[in-house]
Amino acid sequence: AQSVSQHNHHVILSEAASLELGCNYSYGGTVNLFWYVQYPGQHLQLLLKYFSGDPLVKGIKGFEAEFIKSKFSFNLRKPSVQWSDTAEYFCAVMVLNQGGKLIFGQGTELSVKP
Amino acid sequence: EPEVTQTPSHQVTQMGQEVILRCVPISNHLYFYWYRQILGQKVEFLVSFYNNEISEKSEIFDDQFSVERPDGSNFTLKIRSTKLEDSAMYFCASKGGEEVTEAFFGQGTRLTVV
Repeated sequence: AQSVSQHNHHVILSEAASLELGCNYSYGGTVNLFWYVQYPGQHLQLLLKYFSGDPLVKGIKGFEAEFIKSKFSFNLRKPSVQWSDTAEYFCAVMVLNQGGKLIFGQGTELSVKP
Repeated sequence: EPEVTQTPSHQVTQMGQEVILRCVPISNHLYFYWYRQILGQKVEFLVSFYNNEISEKSEIFDDQFSVERPDGSNFTLKIRSTKLEDSAMYFCASKGGEEVTEAFFGQGTRLTVV
């Protein structure tokens, strides 16, 4: 069965620090990859996505992620975090030709101290 | 910008009662989903719905659960006899079509079973 693993449960950073959140998935076939963000009290919002092509994808709010196929990884990065980035971050995988369901990681809570 | 809307935002119900969670997907979307997130745990897929029928369901989606698209705009999740362990945040999502891989999420309904 497919699964998604996020390495960090809770990350605490100071403003301007760099961020990298790890995500690994287990599936040998073709997948689409996503990072969603959930700000406190709000719904899941798409940060960025990878379908094909350039493995380095850029999303909203200065976030980027790199797909490394050989490592089954899709890590999220941001060079300099802001207090407003405090949220929960979810990595998700969509297996192609399986009706579009998403398989989520367990989430990483990011707290940014001003 | 079109969005997925869910009502109510918070529902409290007694164990054994039936609840219906409502969702209005984006109007021209064809694929619909329910996910749930138990507090502190990952977002889990429940069911996908396409062409007026369930296309896939998870092990969680047992006989107590049902989905319906009664009028071409609403998409509902019914839990017939709620249990304490059904307490969770329930997210509805919709997707435009087979080739469109991005799913849009509603803000969620927090269900509390007491």
